This record gives sequence, C-alpha cells and structure tokens, in this order.
Amino acid sequence: EAQVTQNPRYLITVTGKKLTVTCSQNMNHEYMSWYRQDPGLGLRQIYYSMNVEVTDKGDVPEGYKVSRKEKRNFPLILESPSPNQTSLYFCASRFGTGSYNEQFFGPGTRLTVL
Amino acid sequence: AQKVTQAQTEISVVEKEDVTLDCVYETRDTTYYLFWYKQPPSGELVFLIRRNSFDEQNEISGRYSWNFQKSTSSFNFTITASQVVDSAVYFCALSEAAGGFKTIFGAGTRLFVKA
Repeated sequence: EAQVTQNPRYLITVTGKKLTVTCSQNMNHEYMSWYRQDPGLGLRQIYYSMNVEVTDKGDVPEGYKVSRKEKRNFPLILESPSPNQTSLYFCASRFGTGSYNEQFFGPGTRLTVL
Repeated sequence: AQKVTQAQTEISVVEKEDVTLDCVYETRDTTYYLFWYKQPPSGELVFLIRRNSFDEQNEISGRYSWNFQKSTSSFNFTITASQVVDSAVYFCALSEAAGGFKTIFGAGTRLFVKA
C-alpha cells in the first residue's frame, strides 16, 4: 500500500530534550516536506526536500532541522524543543519536482512540549 | 508573496443544504497551482482537487464543484446537498511554479453538517 508513515504518532516531552520524528514514504517520491498545524493558522511549511541531500527552509524553520540521506526518509529533528513547538506535525511527499502534483500526507504526530 | 485566505473559520449547515467554501489567493507568479484538501475528524489530510492557473474551467465531481476565477483570485468549493460525512476541515493551498517549491495553505474552514 502506497503510504507515508510517521513515528511516533504521539509524543510528550520536556523542554530541551532532543527528539526526532521519523517520516518514510514507499512511493519513490522525490519531494518531501514537513508541516505544522496550529489552530487558526492552518498548515505551515517547516522544511522541504527536492531530493536526496537537497533541503530548503519553508516558512517556519526556526528550531527545526532535517536531513535527507535516503530518498524514502525525511526525519524532523528538534534539538532543543520548547513549548511553542507543541503542535500537530505532518510529513508529506509528492511525485517529481514540479509544483503541480498533489501531496500525500502521513497520519500526523501530535507533539506536546512541557 | 504568496498568500491564501479562507475567511470563513467555521460554517454550520443542516444536511442537504448547499454550502460554498471561499478561497482567495495572492501570487505574483503567472503559473501556479491551487489545491483543496480535506481533513476529516480522524485527522488525515486527503487531496480533493488541483487546478493550474491556465485552466479556468470549472469542475464538478459528484456533489463537489469548484469555481476558479482568476479575475477575482478565487478558487471556491461548493458542496451540493451536504451530508454528515462532509463534516471536516477544508484547506485551500497554493504552489507557485517558479521561485521555489513552497506550498502555502490557508487557515482552513471547519464545516459542520448536522443531521
């Protein structure tokens, strides 16, 4: 089954404790992206990647890191989480490098930083 | 700069009513793509439709229809004869062809359809 998977689905952590949210897709998509969803703000793009070893900032990259060492994986790293990073996070992928294709989303990761 | 505005935060209708969700966008690019996604209460995001800037033809898919008007920079979504299963948050999104590969989402419209 074609899908985007994220782990963990739920995470409660404390300020400053490094964490990684994994994202993997099995559709051989070139493009992958991370978003955060907050009430009243919709989805905001954190980082995206056009292909292996090619990443770029979205609109809200502060406090996050990403890497793309393999085509299928795109982990989101929070080196020192803070309470304002409490949010619902979505990973997405899409075919090709053009902007015209729709994105396929993972199930979401709900992160709480205390 | 890109911007997507969904001015309706929440809409509540009774089953079988028609409802229109508004989406207004801003872009300087002449080639761009507009999308609608649905987020049901279960939380996943589901693609509904894509429209490119050169195709102003309206589209109908069952009870769903989309009206794209470049003159008013709008890409509105109408559900005819709404059903309880249509209850969800609906997001409009914009991607530009040039100058990067960002996607901008609107804030979303939460639709409640009451039986």
